[in-house]
Amino acid sequence: QVQLQESGPGLVKPSQTLSLTCTVSGGSISSGDYYWSWIRQPPGKGLEWIGYIYYSGSTYYNPSLKSRVTISVDTSKNQFSLKLSSVTAADTAVYYCARVVIKGPHAIDYWGQGTLVTVSS
Amino acid sequence: SYVLTQPPSVSVAPGQTARITCGGNNIGSKSVHWYQQKPGQAPVLVVYDDSDRPSGIPERFSGSNSGNTATLTISRVEAGDEADYYCQVWDSSSDHPEVFGGGTKLTVL
Repeated sequence: QVQLQESGPGLVKPSQTLSLTCTVSGGSISSGDYYWSWIRQPPGKGLEWIGYIYYSGSTYYNPSLKSRVTISVDTSKNQFSLKLSSVTAADTAVYYCARVVIKGPHAIDYWGQGTLVTVSS
Repeated sequence: SYVLTQPPSVSVAPGQTARITCGGNNIGSKSVHWYQQKPGQAPVLVVYDDSDRPSGIPERFSGSNSGNTATLTISRVEAGDEADYYCQVWDSSSDHPEVFGGGTKLTVL
């Protein structure tokens, strides 16, 4: 059974960089069958794609966040990471890491439990 | 970018059938996935590729997709089905191909 677990600070100051890591267990992040994704959900609101990465390092970023987002992968640790720079209160959200099935139209078959990140001074 | 429109809320009595729609321009030409999200929990895939169910999802959950509307149908609704439901498509022709609908709150009366 694949499991994903987010980790990182729950509180980030405005203008700083949000950093989160997702650790994958029960499966290899180097599998060519999946993208490894970050998705967020502001309190009381809907889901928003941030972006995703392939094990080789190729990435997709949501155009609305592209200038501030970096997603990276560490296959040796079976982890991938998110950095979001110049954060504001609007970036306060539950951040999920998730696995996207490449074959076909990109269904998300596994999600982490999510971690709340609050942007506040 | 591609826009998916869902009704904010749907209400249904236990034992009845709930239908949650997801509207988009010619959405019938795309494959739609549906996720269930209960309070404080991560979303769970309940229908993929318009009408397929992952292992472990009850047969009460079904999907269809045609024209400009995709529909998630929940038969014999139970109290435990109360949740938010999100549709998702992959629009490969767009520079922003990964899209979620705004979500629908299903209330079981």
